[in-house]
Amino acid sequence: EVQLVQSGAEVKKPGESLRISCEGSGYSFNDYWVAWVRQLPGKGLEWMGRIDPKQSESRYSPSFEGRITISADKSMKTAYLQWDSLVASDTATYYCARRSTGLDVWGQGTTVIVSS
Amino acid sequence: EIVLTQSPDTLSLSPGETATLSCRASQSVSSIFLVWYQQKFGQAPRVLIYGTHNRAKGVPDRFSGSGSGTTFTLTINRLEPEDCAVYYCQQYGTSPTFGQGTKVDLK
Repeated sequence: EVQLVQSGAEVKKPGESLRISCEGSGYSFNDYWVAWVRQLPGKGLEWMGRIDPKQSESRYSPSFEGRITISADKSMKTAYLQWDSLVASDTATYYCARRSTGLDVWGQGTTVIVSS
Repeated sequence: EIVLTQSPDTLSLSPGETATLSCRASQSVSSIFLVWYQQKFGQAPRVLIYGTHNRAKGVPDRFSGSGSGTTFTLTINRLEPEDCAVYYCQQYGTSPTFGQGTKVDLK
């Protein structure tokens, strides 16, 4: 079965760093880009960026450029989304998804709460 | 950046009726890169339609997509209770974007 499994929920304080993960299985991880999508509480979907695991090449939405880092470890078949300094407005659910014909396989989502 | 505007924001229909959801782009979108997703409450989104009109695996034929250029449509025939969800369009060209979503609920 093709699936993406994300790391668990996180509660962090403003200013802290965080890395969440997304492990792929059931397919050739290197052959598909992995995207990250944000969903603020009660709101819609926002494209954050994506990584090509084979090339380790990342591209970011202008709205998120400079605030996040997307990376991948091919040997671990895992993509990562990282913040160096969280703010309260980063509170959201974050999804990873495989880019094929659209985003055809999604992770279950990781909820991140940033609160003092 | 291409802005996608969906209408209406909310659609309230009776079971068995037809839902017509619109997605308008601020500039032309390649039909290959236009996708529709369904997101039910508390779940991750799932792809319904890709390449404007191709149904994803397992999607009932009650769902159909059409359009070109800057205007795209998702049609849901014979609405069922399980279709209550938020529907998003997305273009995944060079700088992907999503529409703001249309909520479909049943009367």
